[in-house]
Amino acid sequence: AQRVTQPEKLLSVFKGAPVELKCNYSYSGSPELFWYVQYSRQRLQLLLRHISRESIKGFTADLNKGETSFHLKKPFAQEEDSAMYYCALRGISNFGNEKLTFGTGTRLTIIP
Amino acid sequence: EPEVTQTPSHQVTQMGQEVILRCVPISNHLYFYWYRQILGQKVEFLVSFYNNEISEKSEIFDDQFSVERPDGSNFTLKIRSTKLEDSAMYFCASSPRTGSDTGELFFGEGSRLTVL
Repeated sequence: AQRVTQPEKLLSVFKGAPVELKCNYSYSGSPELFWYVQYSRQRLQLLLRHISRESIKGFTADLNKGETSFHLKKPFAQEEDSAMYYCALRGISNFGNEKLTFGTGTRLTIIP
Repeated sequence: EPEVTQTPSHQVTQMGQEVILRCVPISNHLYFYWYRQILGQKVEFLVSFYNNEISEKSEIFDDQFSVERPDGSNFTLKIRSTKLEDSAMYFCASSPRTGSDTGELFFGEGSRLTVL
């Protein structure tokens, strides 16, 4: 079974302060991890994926297999970062495009 | 930029009624999904669809649910006899399959179903 845990439902951070959104996962094989974001009144969209090791909008996330974590970080929060953030896992299977399993999400609020 | 579109945006129905939620995936995508999100809870996988058949479904996707791609563009989710607990936001998603599959799902804006 695959599971994604986001321990914080709500997180408030002052503008300019560092942000860390926690994500832990449980999966027996080698998963692919993603962060999706949903801004107010917008659709759910991909923020970043672990395999590309990229920084998007200043956010980075490193897959730590030892700790089974994929925390999302940004050194200096901006007001436009306020949104709902979902960590998601995709297992590797023979079906091809495997489903995503989402965490419960963290609502990030940046305080001006 | 192409987007997944869903209709209706909000539907209110009486318990026991049939509901059909419609989705138009991005045109060159091959994999289609339905997810749902009950208010205050996580986004849950319902079903995936590929090559005109269900490739995977969750425990939630029981005999009351069905999916169809009737005309090569629409992808529908039918709930035969709605229950109060079916009230949720239903998201359609699609993804391409290319030589370098990125795993990204493209979501619609969702259809909010309210069962009274």
